[in-house]
Amino acid sequence: DAGITQSPRYKITETGRQVTLMCHQTWSHSYMFWYRQDLGHGLRLIYYSAAADITDKGEVPDGYVVSRSKTENFPLTLESATRSQTSVYFCASSEGPGSTNYGYTFGSGTRLTVV
Amino acid sequence: TQLLEQSPQFLSIQEGENLTVYCNSSSVFSSLQWYRQEPGEGPVLLVTVVTGGEVKKLKRLTFQFGDARKDSSLHITAAQPGDTGLYLCAGVPSHKLSFGAGTTVTVRA
Repeated sequence: DAGITQSPRYKITETGRQVTLMCHQTWSHSYMFWYRQDLGHGLRLIYYSAAADITDKGEVPDGYVVSRSKTENFPLTLESATRSQTSVYFCASSEGPGSTNYGYTFGSGTRLTVV
Repeated sequence: TQLLEQSPQFLSIQEGENLTVYCNSSSVFSSLQWYRQEPGEGPVLLVTVVTGGEVKKLKRLTFQFGDARKDSSLHITAAQPGDTGLYLCAGVPSHKLSFGAGTTVTVRA
């Protein structure tokens, strides 16, 4: 199906464990983004990618790693999960950078709980 | 500190009433976007406003971009329960979208 798919939808992990959140889009959009959404903070950008093999930090990148070997995939890895990383994570894609009229298309999110 | 400040944070109204949500910043934006997010889902783009003073209508929703391109408003006429959700404004200070914290709108039947 066309769209942007995140997996898993829900994840519980222990402090210190490595966990990877997956994001797959079928539109061949150049840009992909990872946001976290927390009460009182709204959506905050973690990392983004302008194309395959090109990634850059967002507002809150510490503790996260991304890669983009293929245009359609943009996994987010928490190297050593901490309780402060408990959040809802959203992946988004776009045809172009946000400075144009291009809107973002979001996945349904991954709710991550670190215990 | 949020680059984009939204107000009010919460809004609860009766079906048929009107409501307005505000999005303000001290920065100038090349464009502003409005998204609606329902529980358990990601935000969905409603509209993009680009020109200062621009007004766009989407059925019962009216979006306005301030003349100085620093603020925007969303007005819903005769709200319905289906309008319930989190409304987010987003702007581009550089080349990535920055989101406001959102306004949670609840429309009671």
